[in-house]
Amino acid sequence: NAGVTQTPKFQVLKTGQSMTLQCAQDMNHEYMSWYRQDPGMGLRLIHYSVGAGITDQGEVPNGYNVSRSTTEDFPLRLLSAAPSQTSVYFCASSPLGLTSYEQYFGPGTRLTVT
Amino acid sequence: RKEVEQDPGPFNVPEGATVAFNCTYSNSASQSFFWYRQDCRKEPKLLMSVYSSGNEDGRFTAQLNRASQYISLLIRDSKLSDSATYLCVVNWGNTGFQKLVFGTGTRLLVSP
Repeated sequence: NAGVTQTPKFQVLKTGQSMTLQCAQDMNHEYMSWYRQDPGMGLRLIHYSVGAGITDQGEVPNGYNVSRSTTEDFPLRLLSAAPSQTSVYFCASSPLGLTSYEQYFGPGTRLTVT
Repeated sequence: RKEVEQDPGPFNVPEGATVAFNCTYSNSASQSFFWYRQDCRKEPKLLMSVYSSGNEDGRFTAQLNRASQYISLLIRDSKLSDSATYLCVVNWGNTGFQKLVFGTGTRLLVSP
């Protein structure tokens, strides 16, 4: 199992550009989520999904879109990049159930917007 | 008050020392609690879940105090490899799906 994979590892964008961060998992997990991590802020939830075709907003969704067409993939789209979106982005997955399960994180994407 | 609050540190300790971290949370309805470990420029990984009765995993002991709404992590006999940032994580919801709130982390530096 590869676990959770993310591409790219690093990206530099100019303000106003759009791009998609890719996330895939091979553990058949229903729950997938995107976080951003900024110094002094901790990880903050951007969007999450409890299954294919179902997505919802987290704490900081503005400027981001997601879709979940398959169980395996959960891409995050930046619509028009802004310097405030410079951050490290982590995708995570876990089973879905009545109790909390371990979150499996991908290695992260370091994004810089100039 | 922050939802999940941790002392950012760093905690500088020598090898073999015992060190304790605390974490407070504001939502009294929280059901699940965790400690994650994050190495520099890496993804977080689960260290241990925290149970009401307290639990131990080798040199690591986690405690939960629901009345005071705090969680602790004790590391005994610190190793150089324990140097990392420790994230306190609280499940905010009680509906069964994940709504995790992360603390900003406490940095630990273990020196020879």
